[in-house]
Amino acid sequence: GNSVTQMEGPVTLSEEAFLTINCTYTATGYPSLFWYVQYPGEGLQLLLKATKADDKGSNKGFEATYRKETTSFHLEKGSVQVSDSAVYFCALSFGNEKLTFGTGTRLTIIP
Amino acid sequence: EAQVTQNPRYLITVTGKKLTVTCSQNMNHEYMSWYRQDPGLGLRQIYYSMNVEVTDKGDVPEGYKVSRKEKRNFPLILESPSPNQTSLYFCASSKGLAGPEQYFGPGTRLTVT
Repeated sequence: GNSVTQMEGPVTLSEEAFLTINCTYTATGYPSLFWYVQYPGEGLQLLLKATKADDKGSNKGFEATYRKETTSFHLEKGSVQVSDSAVYFCALSFGNEKLTFGTGTRLTIIP
Repeated sequence: EAQVTQNPRYLITVTGKKLTVTCSQNMNHEYMSWYRQDPGLGLRQIYYSMNVEVTDKGDVPEGYKVSRKEKRNFPLILESPSPNQTSLYFCASSKGLAGPEQYFGPGTRLTVT
């Protein structure tokens, strides 16, 4: 079956540090890939997505590139802020099928 | 404002006492879904609904029921809750069939003692 493997957390960084959260997937075919973010006490929000190989999704300074060769979709940000503290979920789906989520990575940014 | 609402937000109950968690969306979305979130397991789908009167099991449906009598509402029913159903529950909706841009409710934290 389909699965998503995320970098285990928690991750703690200082403000303005560079962020990478690794995500790899296992699937038959080429799914769409997503990053969702969950701020404290809230539901998940779509952060960015990519629907085909080599696409780059970007939003709020975050980026992720769909790498077919390595079946990866790593999340990056050049300079994190305290307000980026949240739980980040990588996910995949095929067209009209449900989302399959990774286990989530808790990110804490300290001033 | 487009949103998915859930009630209650927090609930503590005892084993075997039937409960219902309500979910409502105001975006006229066809697809609705329930997930549970557990540490180290991420989000797992419980049930989903493609449209009114159409529901189907997700990955972890045991011990849960749902109904979809109206397009906007998708309640989650626990007929006889057990402690292993202690979790954080999220309702989500999207336009079309399981569209990837799902909108999530704020969550319901359930504790079963």
